[in-house]
Amino acid sequence: QVQLVESGGGVVQPGGSLRLSCAASGFTFSSYGMHWVRQEPGKGLEWVAFIRYDGSNKYYGDSVKGRFTISRDNSKNTLYLQMNSLRAEDTAVYYCAKNQGGGWPFDYWGQGTLVTVSS
Amino acid sequence: DIQMTQSPSAMSASVGDRVTITCRASQGISNYLAWFQQKPGKVPKRLIYAASSLQSGVPSRFSGSGSGTEFTLTISSLQPEDFATYYCLQHNTYPYSFGQGTKLEIK
Repeated sequence: QVQLVESGGGVVQPGGSLRLSCAASGFTFSSYGMHWVRQEPGKGLEWVAFIRYDGSNKYYGDSVKGRFTISRDNSKNTLYLQMNSLRAEDTAVYYCAKNQGGGWPFDYWGQGTLVTVSS
Repeated sequence: DIQMTQSPSAMSASVGDRVTITCRASQGISNYLAWFQQKPGKVPKRLIYAASSLQSGVPSRFSGSGSGTEFTLTISSLQPEDFATYYCLQHNTYPYSFGQGTKLEIK
């Protein structure tokens, strides 16, 4: 069965960096586009970033563009999110999610990892 | 960027009621719209994709319709497990965008 397991969350000071990972199993990871989505505590969902199945194209939300970088290692079945210049408003649960065949997004989600930006 | 406006933001209803939630896009998105359900402390779950296609395993009381700029999610007969927050998502154009959510509570 499809499994997506995020890791790497924690507490970081404003201006700091953190790298999130999403380990995928149960499907051919190298065939599917992948996303990061976040949710501030008690708030709604915000789309963060997308990477094509082969890493050839990447897209970002306006609030993270220039600070976050999405990447993947298909040999390790792992998705990453490098987060730099972190701000208090980046505090959220970060989910990875996969595309379905045909590009329809978010058929499976991970359980999420909490990132807290605080001094 | 495309803005997604959901209405209502919150509502209360009774078991057995028919409920409709609306999502409007600031520009046309064809049928590139999905609906998600999220319960407190849980991961979002996709209910509908391609505006009207029911996700496998989702009860048939859920249905979606619309195209272009106006979309609806309908629950034909509310069940106790349906009380949750619902979100729409447009994926026609990057950056993707979610609606602000509709919290469905028990009357």
